[in-house]
Amino acid sequence: SQQGEEDPQALSIQEGENATMNCSYKTSINNLQWYRQNSGRGLVHLILIRSNEREKHSGRLRVTLDTSKKSSSLLITASRAADTASYFCATEFRGGADGLTFGKGTHLIIQP
Amino acid sequence: KAGVTQTPRYLIKTRGQQVTLSCSPISGHRSVSWYQQTPGQGLQFLFEYFSETQRNKGNFPGRFSGRQFSNSRSEMNVSTLELGDSALYLCASSLLGGGGQPQHFGDGTRLSIL
Repeated sequence: SQQGEEDPQALSIQEGENATMNCSYKTSINNLQWYRQNSGRGLVHLILIRSNEREKHSGRLRVTLDTSKKSSSLLITASRAADTASYFCATEFRGGADGLTFGKGTHLIIQP
Repeated sequence: KAGVTQTPRYLIKTRGQQVTLSCSPISGHRSVSWYQQTPGQGLQFLFEYFSETQRNKGNFPGRFSGRQFSNSRSEMNVSTLELGDSALYLCASSLLGGGGQPQHFGDGTRLSIL
């Protein structure tokens, strides 16, 4: 079964609002990454957070990691219509021997 | 710097045929990984190549194979195609692979099996 599970599966908010997506996983990890995928396109890397880090920021993105709860969250502040996409968390363990293990994603819709 | 390039973008095949997909990584990247994306199973890891050697492999049947050339370009081959092989096949590259690095994805090859 997949390592990461995102919650919610779909989220619709108004432009300018903040969007929060959560990811839970099952086993100990080396790191966790968040990716964005626009319809019909490839994945774009957003943030990588290592197991010994608790929080990382990149522009309007904030990622937290709680290894005791085996969960992560992605916060997008001041959302824009261009943020409409699917967002995936991906976990890596065993030094990447199994590649990235993705959740099924959160589909985010930003209403103008 | 050019991104990851996958060709072709779309492909239609029939059951029993075989197919070869191509991936050109970002210049200087030596690791290439392949993923299959379907609505039912989501994104699943196929394999990773580094310096022309398969370094890691996911849980897929032997019909799925790949190779990497000396210029880091990679090809993926699927033989005896089945309806369930219909998917978006994504290639990703990174500098060294082996974990702990961002993956740079191409836009994929959408394979449809009739």
